[in-house]
Amino acid sequence: ETGVTQSPTHLIKTRGQQVTLRCSSQSGHNTVSWYQQALGQGPQFIFQYYREEENGRGNFPPRFSGLQFPNYSSELNVNALELDDSALYLCASGQETQYFGPGTRLLVL
Amino acid sequence: AQRVTQPEKLLSVFKGAPVELKCNYSYSGSPELFWYVQYSRQRLQLLLRHISRESIKGFTADLNKGETSFHLKKPFAQEEDSAMYYCALTSGSARQLTFGSGTQLTVLP
Repeated sequence: ETGVTQSPTHLIKTRGQQVTLRCSSQSGHNTVSWYQQALGQGPQFIFQYYREEENGRGNFPPRFSGLQFPNYSSELNVNALELDDSALYLCASGQETQYFGPGTRLLVL
Repeated sequence: AQRVTQPEKLLSVFKGAPVELKCNYSYSGSPELFWYVQYSRQRLQLLLRHISRESIKGFTADLNKGETSFHLKKPFAQEEDSAMYYCALTSGSARQLTFGSGTQLTVLP
């Protein structure tokens, strides 16, 4: 059984740009959740995908969007990046128990 | 709205001493609570969940609905317990996790 993987590990963008982060879920898991973790804070729920449909959303604006593919891998897209979007973005697969990936660290300049 | 509070950002204890990491929550329904741990340079991982009532690595946590608390305890701390600990509760159809801001535990030799 393979674990959750995320790519890239880190990246730097400038304000106004767009970014796509990727996640491969643990084998057998059809649910993927995305979280944003700002420095010194706990992770905050962005949204969840279940069998390619959005299955719940946290308090994030529409410029945060996502996709889930038939193989249950997932993307998080953020448009019109703002400085406050700088954070660690975590992907987790599973629902009853969520298994986390290592995260992608995004820096917006 | 649900909320998880971890009042201590930092906690230091000596090896062999008892340790208690505090967690309080507010939630209108029947909560399901978790403790997650992040060791240095590792990903976030589940430590324990209250419904399983199990002890992992010597840690236990009891859900106290009257005090809305879910404190994590270990009678004899070990140096390898040094890590960041997050308390979380799950809610909604997506069973999204709401995390506290975390407590950095340092066990001194």
